[in-house]
Amino acid sequence: ETGVTQTPRHLVMGMTNKKSLKCEQHLGHNAMYWYKQSAKKPLELMFVYSLEERVENNSVPSRFSPECPNSSHLFLHLHTLQPEDSALYLCASSHSLPGQLYNEQFFGPGTRLTVL
Amino acid sequence: QKEVEQNSGPLSVPEGAIASLNCTYSDRVSQSFFWYRQYSGKSPELIMSIYSNGDKEDGRFTAQLNKASQYVSLLIRDSQPSDSATYLCAVNGVGSGYSTLTFGKGTMLLVSP
Repeated sequence: ETGVTQTPRHLVMGMTNKKSLKCEQHLGHNAMYWYKQSAKKPLELMFVYSLEERVENNSVPSRFSPECPNSSHLFLHLHTLQPEDSALYLCASSHSLPGQLYNEQFFGPGTRLTVL
Repeated sequence: QKEVEQNSGPLSVPEGAIASLNCTYSDRVSQSFFWYRQYSGKSPELIMSIYSNGDKEDGRFTAQLNKASQYVSLLIRDSQPSDSATYLCAVNGVGSGYSTLTFGKGTMLLVSP
């Protein structure tokens, strides 16, 4: 595997289900990100993990719960979602180097989530 | 609130022409700027990054940055139908090593044969 991978690629779930999205990066990075992309809206940053510590949480509802067990893996646990949560969920990774401002982010292929 | 503005398009150009995509940003302390290409149904792909005022060229792509005007652009020379996609401008905020990108809504480019 190379780059950033995400599984599953497509997910359909009911509002009462619990599911998890998985992201793995093979780039030697130490920062990972979850984004949400809805139609007609800019990419929305949800969570940032740097050196396995959550450093940003952009007012995301508690029905989304991230987990970063190590610098290569990132999960997004989903429970009791709403139909408006249907979107493309993207994982990205970058280097995290103190004092370095120019860290490029690379995206995985995304998970297309549909909540019924 | 940090904002990144792009014309949503679509921008239509004939094959072989130069496509010019523009972006303005609100946060004066932004330090680094990126262009991503996103094909329909796919994830964003980084195609250019620029950090200093002026031009940066990579193949058919040229990124231009003017921090005084808070303006960044992407020129695509000899446009091809395969360049038809949405182009996202992203601006990096000041962070502690990790990047905090703010994205524009993107400009859709259509290149006709």
